[in-house]
Amino acid sequence: QKEVEQDPGPLSVPEGAIVSLNCTYSNSAFQYFMWYRQYSRKGPELLMYTYSSGNKEDGRFTAQVDKSSKYISLFIRDSQPSDSATYLCAMSLQGAQKLVFGQGTRLTINP
Amino acid sequence: DAGVTQSPTHLIKTRGQQVTLRCSPISGHKSVSWYQQVLGQGPQFIFQYYEKEERGRGNFPDRFSARQFPNYSSELNVNALLLGDSALYLCASSLGTTATISGQPQHFGDGTRLSIL
Repeated sequence: QKEVEQDPGPLSVPEGAIVSLNCTYSNSAFQYFMWYRQYSRKGPELLMYTYSSGNKEDGRFTAQVDKSSKYISLFIRDSQPSDSATYLCAMSLQGAQKLVFGQGTRLTINP
Repeated sequence: DAGVTQSPTHLIKTRGQQVTLRCSPISGHKSVSWYQQVLGQGPQFIFQYYEKEERGRGNFPDRFSARQFPNYSSELNVNALLLGDSALYLCASSLGTTATISGQPQHFGDGTRLSIL
């Protein structure tokens, strides 16, 4: 079993829709949770960064962490074609810089 | 401000050869990490360096080695290349502090795409 599970998709939604992306994990010691966006032939771009449980909002993006369920989510409101990319969840332990990534979900927003 | 820069962008090698990949972190960042991303998968941690010392190592064979220089730039070396080493190699940098190097968000470069023939 992988430490971090993420549905690879692909996921295709119409422009303007609310997108929900999710990851589950097995290691309850993870403390830092991140979402990265990766365009084709580019490196991952940090979107959201949260510590422990709770919600964080940044513009059209909202990240949620539920440590009791070992479940994290990223919501994208008013999705745009420019949001089409692969979305990677990542997490790390307290005292460590190593990021453990999910497989990534490939998202397409259709105009 | 310049982000994380990696060179070269693309490299083609044959089995058994050796390769060196280079990374310059964001100005002021002292921690550099290396990841391998195979097509269709998430990045896998290889190494982390902070203040020129290795602070973490992933589950990769000894053919993989790295170092960090006084200006915080870094090199990743891979010897005796195998077909399975074909991947996107990513470098990430973060601030780090003298007190702790954990919990700092990491910013990635666009990677070096390594193809082994």
